[in-house]
Amino acid sequence: KNQVEQSPQSLIILEGKNCTLQCNYTVSPFSNLRWYKQDTGRGPVSLTIMTFSENTKSNGRYTATLDADTKQSSLHITASQLSDSASYICVVSPWGDYKLSFGAGTTVTVRA
Amino acid sequence: SQTIHQWPATLVQPVGSPLSLECTVEGTSNPNLYWYRQAAGRGLQLLFYSVGIGQISSEVPQNLSASRPQDRQFILSSKKLLLSDSGFYLCAWSISSGANVLTFGAGSRLTVL
Repeated sequence: KNQVEQSPQSLIILEGKNCTLQCNYTVSPFSNLRWYKQDTGRGPVSLTIMTFSENTKSNGRYTATLDADTKQSSLHITASQLSDSASYICVVSPWGDYKLSFGAGTTVTVRA
Repeated sequence: SQTIHQWPATLVQPVGSPLSLECTVEGTSNPNLYWYRQAAGRGLQLLFYSVGIGQISSEVPQNLSASRPQDRQFILSSKKLLLSDSGFYLCAWSISSGANVLTFGAGSRLTVL
C-alpha cells in the first residue's frame, strides 16, 4: 500500500529560526514528490516539485531534498517568518497512476 | 495562465438538504479534474476523478456524486446531506498527460447541522 508519513505532526519555532520537516514514503513506482503549503481554510499551494533524478530544489527560503533510494524527503525553511505559519503537505505521485498519496501534513507555527 | 475557481467558499446546510459545489478551470483544455475531502489531521481523500466530459470515477462509496457537464466544469453534489458530510472540500486539476501535478482551488467549507 502506498503511504506517506510526515513528521513532526506539528512544531513551534521563533521568528527568524530555521526548521526541517520530514517525509517518508513507500510509493512505487515513483514519479514525483511535491511539497505544498496550506494556509488555514485555504487550498494547498505548491512550493516545490522533484522527480526521481533531482536531489534538491529551492523556492526562496524553502529548500526541499529528495533521496529516492531511501524514499525520504525533507523541507527546510530558512529564517522563518510569521507568514510561514501553515500546514505543509508532502504529496507523492506514482508513475502512471492518478491516485496521489498525501501525507497528513506538518503544522508549523512561527511566533514573534 | 491557468486558474481554478471553486465556490461557495463556505456553506452551512441542514441534514437532508441537497448540496452543489462547483469548480471551473480557465486557461487549459481537457484537464483532469478531481474532488478531494480533507479531514483535520489527515491526508486528503480522493472522492472523484474525471478525465473528460461525462467520465467520472468514484473512489469512495458515499453520499456524494460528481458530474462534469462541460470540459472545464466539475460539480460535487448530494441529494440529502448527512452530518458526516461536513468537511473541507477541494477541487483540483492537472494536465491530461505527464507528471500529474495538481493545482488546487481555494476550498469549500461545508458544515452540516
